[in-house]
Amino acid sequence: EADIYQTPRYLVIGTGKKITLECSQTMGHDKMYWYQQDPGMELHLIHYSYGVNSTEKGDLSSESTVSRIRTEHFPLTLESARPSHTSQYLCAVRTSQGNTFGSGTRLTVV
Amino acid sequence: KQEVTQIPAALSVPEGENLVLNCSFTDSAIYNLQWFRQDPGKGLTSLLLIQSSQREQTSGRLNASLDKSSGRSTLYIAASQPGDSATYLCAAHFGNEKLTFGTGTRLTIIP
Repeated sequence: EADIYQTPRYLVIGTGKKITLECSQTMGHDKMYWYQQDPGMELHLIHYSYGVNSTEKGDLSSESTVSRIRTEHFPLTLESARPSHTSQYLCAVRTSQGNTFGSGTRLTVV
Repeated sequence: KQEVTQIPAALSVPEGENLVLNCSFTDSAIYNLQWFRQDPGKGLTSLLLIQSSQREQTSGRLNASLDKSSGRSTLYIAASQPGDSATYLCAAHFGNEKLTFGTGTRLTIIP
């Protein structure tokens, strides 16, 4: 099993600001994922990583970027936030028990 | 294209009844299937994982089945309670490393 942490839990930020959403895990799992979910809508994979220095774009095009410098951390960055980026962002790790998700970050860009 | 479908989109059931949630998928070469629960505005909580070699998994009042030949999975909830109200999502690994999600069934248990 994995403990996975996302911060912040909620974020309200102005248009044009740079933001980084944090995702960290404690068990050293290689495979990590970022999903985007609009209210009442399905989840869409936007980024994934198979390990350190590995990052790939997911099925849904996103203006965000990710990095994986350390196994434990998989941060997501938006260089210039826009209202269209308002959504919930969910991070997950792949374990032997399937995928485990963090609590998510609800981002609002005003 | 590998797809996962959940019907109905919403379901209301009186407290105490048993119920079944349905999930269908288009590719029989499924690696595993996972059921999640999501409360409003929250993350996903894993309920059950079924490997492709398994037919069912049980946890408490929950039982999930997998039939690869028909492309179907079901989540059975026994003796439903108001606390079971949530959106239930199924998701499949089709041999790649990415989960494909269904659109979910929003379940309401009526006290």
